This record gives sequence, C-alpha cells and structure tokens, in this order.
Amino acid sequence: DTAVSQTPKYLVTQMGNDKSIKCEQNLGHDTMYWYKQDSKKFLKIMFSYNNKELIINETVPNRFSPKSPDKAHLNLHINSLELGDSAVYFCASSQGAGTKGANVLTFGAGSRLTVL
Amino acid sequence: QQQVKQSPQSLIVQKGGIPIINCAYENTAFDYFPWYQQFPGKGPALLIAIRPDVSEKKEGRFTISFNKSAKQFSLHIMDSQPGDSATYFCAGYTGGSYIPTFGRGTSLIVHP
Repeated sequence: DTAVSQTPKYLVTQMGNDKSIKCEQNLGHDTMYWYKQDSKKFLKIMFSYNNKELIINETVPNRFSPKSPDKAHLNLHINSLELGDSAVYFCASSQGAGTKGANVLTFGAGSRLTVL
Repeated sequence: QQQVKQSPQSLIVQKGGIPIINCAYENTAFDYFPWYQQFPGKGPALLIAIRPDVSEKKEGRFTISFNKSAKQFSLHIMDSQPGDSATYFCAGYTGGSYIPTFGRGTSLIVHP
C-alpha cells in the first residue's frame, strides 16, 4: 500500500498547455509538500500545506497553483507550460510541526514532466 | 544562499570501499541533520539522521560523524555494495521548521 502516491508518473506535453499532477498520502500526516528536482538533482521546495492551509510558497511562477481539497491530498496545477518546467516533481508529507515526526519527509516516487 | 554545502558532487568506489560524503552548514540554528537516499526513478527516503548533541550515529553500515564546532557532518558507508549506488542528500533543519535545507546531492556509484 503506497504511502505517498503521485499520478501521473510520466507526463509529456507541448509548450503552452495546462497540466495537473495529483498527490495522495495515506499516512495521516498533517503537512504536504511539492518539490521540484532539476536535471542536476537539486531538490527545491515549491509549496507546503499544513492541514489544507498554505504555509510555504517559495518563489515560484504564479503559473503553478497548488490545491489541497483535504489534508490527504495536494494537487499541483501548472498553466501555460514552458520548456524550463521540465523536471521531476515530488510530493512529500510529514507529521505536523511540534511532533516527533515533523522532520521526517516521506516522498512519493515522482512525476517526470517533459515539455516539448 | 546555499546554507548546506555538500561534496563531492559524484563519487565512484569499488565494492567494499568506504565512500565518505561531506556536508558543511552555515546556520547555527540547525538542530537536526538527516541524510536521504534516492535510487533512480524513486523519491528520496530517509536513511539516517543525527542531532548535534552527539558526535556519531551508526545504523548498520551507515555512520554519521558530526563536528559541531566545525559545523560539518559526514556520511560514511562501510563495506559499500553495488546496491548502495544512489544519490545521497544531506540536510539541516531549524527547530520548529517544516522545511529542510538540502545539500545539492552526491551521486555514488559502487562498482562490483
């Protein structure tokens, strides 16, 4: 039973299109994240939600919009895709702040986005 | 500003060797230092972690050495195996923070 699951695993699309990546966690965690991993493997935080509320919004183009319908789901919608958006996007979750597990991230397997 | 500097960027060793990956941090408020292991096509997964009140932590073949005064910590992999081939990330957390500051990663290849 996958703890943090992302769909789709692969996404190939044309510049200018709009696409979404979905994420679900069954760990009962309060906090969810989106990370972007570029071709050099660098992990960059994009967003973080705690109990459906946005708590971290790093410098990310406003073409990227996260949505958290409930604390088990955090989806990422990307408008007007550009070549530079090609990357692997990871969803992650952790327990809430102040808990023992707050510092342990559980990552999904990633969604590889290729923009042509 | 990169607050956790990781080196080397890549590392190749023979089976049985002891690869060492080093990290240096700037933020003295960091109080938790995890290492994540990422296999190709997978997400990073927590491997081992240390708090600055100890100088060393061992879990199986993996050891973290921590030098608080130098603001450095390192991962040692004893008796490395081809199955250890992966990208390794160090990170630092400040107390109460949700978000780790990751190093840029080290790609390790262990040859049979």
